[in-house]
Amino acid sequence: QVQLVESGGGVVQPGTSLRLSCAASGFTFSNYNMHWVRQAPGKGLEWVSVISSDESNKYYADSVKGRFTLSRDNSMNILYLQMNSLRPEDTAMYYCATDRGDWGQGTLVTVAS
Amino acid sequence: QSVLTQPPSVSAAPGQKVTISCSGSGSNIGKNYVSWHQQFPGTAPKLLIYENNKRPSGIPDRFSGSKSGTSATLDITGLQIGDEADYYCVTWDSSLTAGVFGGGTKLTVL
Repeated sequence: QVQLVESGGGVVQPGTSLRLSCAASGFTFSNYNMHWVRQAPGKGLEWVSVISSDESNKYYADSVKGRFTLSRDNSMNILYLQMNSLRPEDTAMYYCATDRGDWGQGTLVTVAS
Repeated sequence: QSVLTQPPSVSAAPGQKVTISCSGSGSNIGKNYVSWHQQFPGTAPKLLIYENNKRPSGIPDRFSGSKSGTSATLDITGLQIGDEADYYCVTWDSSLTAGVFGGGTKLTVL
């Protein structure tokens, strides 16, 4: 069965960096576009970024453009989200998701001084 | 302010039918597939409907989706207490080159 396991979240200070990972199994990872979606406490879902199956295309929400970078390792079946210059408003549960609608359980990022 | 507009809340009695709307524009719903996701408090979202009206295996046929022009709809029939959750529509916006979610709709089964 499809499994997506996010990791790398934590509590960090504003202006610092964090790298999230999403380990995928149970499907052919290299065939699918992959997304990051986040959810601030008590708020709705917000799309963050998508990377194409071959890494040739990447798109970002305006709120993270220039600060977040998406990458993937198709040999290891891992998706990454490098988050720089973190802000308090980046505080959220971060989910990875496949283009076909599978979701991970999320990893919590808290940006606070 | 979400690009896709959903009612903040809907409610109906057990056994009844409820409709959740998702309104967009020609650059998003008008051009691309819509999916619907269900989320219970404290848990990850779950796919209910993909490509406007298709159900993944394991999703009951009480859940159905449709799309017309720049709007999409999720219908839930035979409501159960266990359907109480938040529901989100999502699609791609070809002008923004970004994914766009609705603000979410909280379903209460009275």
